[in-house]
Amino acid sequence: AQSVTQLGSHVSVSEGALVLLRCNYSSSVPPYLFWYVQYPNQGLQLLLKYTTGATLVKGINGFEAEFKKSETSFHLTKPSAHMSDAAEYFCAVSEPGGSYIPTFGRGTSLIVHP
Amino acid sequence: EADIYQTPRYLVIGTGKKITLECSQTMGHDKMYWYQQDPGMELHLIHYSYGVNSTEKGDLSSESTVSRIRTEHFPLTLESARPSHTSQYLCASTSPLVTGELFFGEGSRLTVL
Repeated sequence: AQSVTQLGSHVSVSEGALVLLRCNYSSSVPPYLFWYVQYPNQGLQLLLKYTTGATLVKGINGFEAEFKKSETSFHLTKPSAHMSDAAEYFCAVSEPGGSYIPTFGRGTSLIVHP
Repeated sequence: EADIYQTPRYLVIGTGKKITLECSQTMGHDKMYWYQQDPGMELHLIHYSYGVNSTEKGDLSSESTVSRIRTEHFPLTLESARPSHTSQYLCASTSPLVTGELFFGEGSRLTVL
């Protein structure tokens, strides 16, 4: 069984500050991991994903995430927040070799202050 | 940009009405999904399909039904809407060549009075 925990339903940062959104997962096999972003009144859009290979993955809009197997984590970071980054962010995990149907976390709302 | 479309985007209806939420994709994806999304909650899978004439219920019990008569079309129907059905419904699809990555529509926000 797979599950995802996102710590913090809301994260507030100042424009230009570091963004760190936390995601921990559980999976019975080496997982595939995803971060999605949802802007108001829109569907989810893939930010980045980890499947195999390099554990530091880069995505769109300057975001990146690092897969840490020992910590079962896949935290999302961005060095400098922009006002346009304000959105809901969802971490998801799927198990390769099975149905691949992803399980989502509850989401973290990123608030960016000017 | 993904080509998956949902209609209507917003719907306000009275209790007891029958409604159908439409979802279409032009990517030729075999796998399609319906998720229910409520504020502060994880996305709950309510239905999925692996191809034409294939439909399965997801993790979250739902009174809705789905059909998959054509690859590109995956409508969701509520025979008798109730206030408890008020939610956002997200349709998604994925290619077998892409490892679990979902392409989402913009969602249908349903309000039942």
